[in-house]
Parts: sequence; C-alpha cells; structure tokens
Amino acid sequence: DQQVKQNSPSLSVQEGRISILNCDYTNSMFDYFLWYKKYPAEGPTFLISISSIKDKNEDGRFTVFLNKSAKHLSLHIVPSQPGDSAVYFCAAFPIQGAQKLVFGQGTRLTINP
Amino acid sequence: GAVVSQHPSRVICKSGTSVKIECRSLDFQATTMFWYRQFPKKSLMLMATSNEGSKATYEQGVEKDKFLINHASLTLSTLTVTSAHPEDSSFYICSARRNTYNEQFFGPGTRLTVL
Repeated sequence: DQQVKQNSPSLSVQEGRISILNCDYTNSMFDYFLWYKKYPAEGPTFLISISSIKDKNEDGRFTVFLNKSAKHLSLHIVPSQPGDSAVYFCAAFPIQGAQKLVFGQGTRLTINP
Repeated sequence: GAVVSQHPSRVICKSGTSVKIECRSLDFQATTMFWYRQFPKKSLMLMATSNEGSKATYEQGVEKDKFLINHASLTLSTLTVTSAHPEDSSFYICSARRNTYNEQFFGPGTRLTVL
C-alpha cells in the first residue's frame, strides 16, 4: 500500500524554466510533508517542508504547495539549474504518534542546458 | 546545520560474514534514529526505528535477528548485518531526528556489497 505516491518517475526541464514535481498521498493523518533531494550514492538532503496548516512555503528558488482537500503537494523550482538534476523524494508523517517518514518513489529530475 | 555521518561509506564482504555500520549525529543529540534501505530505482524503505536505550522497532518483513540495531547513546546507532548474503547487497542509509524539530537528517549512506 503506497501511501505516498510520485507518479512521474522522471522529468526533463530546460535550464532556466520551472520544474514542477508532484506528490499525492492517501493517509489523511499525515500532517507534515518534506521534500528531499538525493544524488547517486549519497543520502537524501532536506530541501523544504510544509505543515498542514499552510498551503504554501517558499525558500529561495524552492516553493512547496499543499492542497489538503486533494491530498496533493508539489515542489516548484524556478529557475531550474543544472545542479538541480537529482532524484527528488517527497515524504510525509503525522505530527502525532510515531515519527516515521513515509517516502514516495522519487522523481528523477534532469535539467538540460 | 545538523550533520549525520555514516561509517563505512563502502564495504565489500564475503558471504556469511557480519558487517557493522555506524551512524552518528555529530552536532546534536538524537533520541531516535532510523535505518533505511534503498533498492535500485526504488524508494527508501524504512527498516527499523532505533530509540536510545531501548529495543529497536522493526518494520514488517524485516528480520530483527539478521539486522541487529543498537542505539547505545544519544549520538550513535549501529546496524549489524549478520551472516550477510548477496541479496543483502544494498545501499543502507540512516537518519537522525533532532529533538525539537520535525526534520530528519540523513547520513551519506553505506554501500554494502556481499560477494
């Protein structure tokens, strides 16, 4: 049962354009969402997070949008840069209870020059 | 920022041997650490939750006698893969949760290859 889904395994975007990565979840108990970036043979690095009391959080070139009614979140990167090429994971957990992150399958983002 | 280290970064061992992987939070105390495994082209799979001073909680399908976890201090958790077999070859990643924050900070991962 995949509670967090990233339906696009890969995405190619031209440098300078906007990259939009999508994530859907099924568990209504999820209250806190995070995006991680991962290079091959490295651990994930935290990018940005959002709690369910917000619908948008912005940090530099990265913005996360949360649509609770649709159980959908997205990560926008603008402008996209070659160094953004990586695998992006969304993750979720409930604020209450066990603090276990549930990850999506990841989306491989490739930024083309 | 919060830093989590893992050692070793890469290990190659013979089938039947045991391998220990260390996970350390370098600049914060972590009462809870997590161990993940990543299969090729798959998401991170949570193996177990490690709590300082108590037994680890394993996810369904993870053999606790094969993957021994010890969280001896607030900055160190170890994962021992016992009697390793080639199918245990994988990328193992730990994370540590800083007490006052919701984010988990990940180690760089350990690539295990069992011959």
